[in-house]
Amino acid sequence: DAGITQSPRHKVTETGTPVTLRCHQTENHRYMYWYRQDPGHGLRLIHYSYGVKDTDKGEVSDGYSVSRSKTEDFLLTLESATSSQTSVYFCAISRTDNSPLHFGNGTRLTVT
Amino acid sequence: DQQVKQNSPSLSVQEGRISILNCDYTNSMFDYFLWYKKYPAEGPTFLISISSIKDKNEDGRFTVFLNKSAKHLSLHIVPSQPGDSAVYFCAATAGNAGNMLTFGGGTRLMVKT
Repeated sequence: DAGITQSPRHKVTETGTPVTLRCHQTENHRYMYWYRQDPGHGLRLIHYSYGVKDTDKGEVSDGYSVSRSKTEDFLLTLESATSSQTSVYFCAISRTDNSPLHFGNGTRLTVT
Repeated sequence: DQQVKQNSPSLSVQEGRISILNCDYTNSMFDYFLWYKKYPAEGPTFLISISSIKDKNEDGRFTVFLNKSAKHLSLHIVPSQPGDSAVYFCAATAGNAGNMLTFGGGTRLMVKT
């Protein structure tokens, strides 16, 4: 079981509030990813990181920012949460950019 | 527009029989395909993959078939077991995109005893 911890596991927040989700890995993998899962859409890439302080946008990056100040931590921030950001968020890691992804157990976020 | 589609939201199969999960894609640049399996309240786990230079890849009870001309792949599970009950996601990527995976919407497989 890949050492990936997502926190919190569940969160309910109000529209307009900032929210930060944390992904922590103990595998020392270079690549980290944030996906969101929504019914009918599967998983969609939000942002990814290919090293400390190196990040880039994915398919659905609007309204999200990320930071990676240490190899083991990748933070996803919703600056001002909206109801459309209600979703399940998954962090994933990989050793190289073409080795299989290992996912965390997800964070269920509800924006009311 | 979804570039990877799993047109069957759910599939029910009797234990011991074959499960066939299907996936279609539209992007001709995709050259590597993966299947992930997901249990409730857990993250997806990698199951099996196939490169576009092959048309079949086998791993135990799991076989993935790729038909490039039809832009179609399928996952066969033989024999199906109750523990296979999960949501299965098909994913694809292009060679220069590395792990920038495009996922299908998923198919929920239920294996009945």
